[in-house]
Amino acid sequence: GQQVQQSPASLVLQEGENAELQCNFSTSLNSMQWFYQRPEGSLVSLFYNPSGTKQSGRLTSTTVIKERRSSLHISSSQITDSGTYLCAFSQGGSAKLIFGEGTKLTVSS
Amino acid sequence: GGIITQTPKFLIGQEGQKLTLKCQQNFNHDTMYWYRQDSGKGLRLIYYSITENDLQKGDLSEGYDASREKKSSFSLTVTSAQKNEMAVFLCASSMTFSNERLFFGHGTKLSVL
Repeated sequence: GQQVQQSPASLVLQEGENAELQCNFSTSLNSMQWFYQRPEGSLVSLFYNPSGTKQSGRLTSTTVIKERRSSLHISSSQITDSGTYLCAFSQGGSAKLIFGEGTKLTVSS
Repeated sequence: GGIITQTPKFLIGQEGQKLTLKCQQNFNHDTMYWYRQDSGKGLRLIYYSITENDLQKGDLSEGYDASREKKSSFSLTVTSAQKNEMAVFLCASSMTFSNERLFFGHGTKLSVL
């Protein structure tokens, strides 16, 4: 089965609304990451190996490794936030990442 | 800063054709990866190379070959393109194999007629 479950699969928001994305892991993990995938396909790392709560601008990541879950909060969403948000984890200290299927976010005006 | 360059950006092939995708990085990273992404899905690891001259199979290596020509370049070959296949191939690199922070290229979109 899926080792990484992301929810929701898709989300449609009005500009200015907040978003909460979830990532749950079915196995123990060494670390995890959040990525943003632009509509044209390129990936950008948002949070690398977060633990606890970390903030970067309008993005907040909250991760509890021992409970195998992480959430990504986007406040005051903007049209340019549209794209796919992927979480991934690694085991055993290697960089072989296992990815979830992503949450596709669409923000409209 | 550095950059990962994938060529070509778009690749259209014929069924049964052998197709090669190229990736270059100027981070001076040891480790490089090839991932495949199908529409609406997450990324799956095809091949990776821990250091120059190393080659390791990922979960999806069947039907592919890879080559780490030098530290900065990593190529992927689709040995026999499948009809109606459509996917995005993403190259990535990390400083070392134990350093989990990955940097990605913009991808190569493959369509097979």
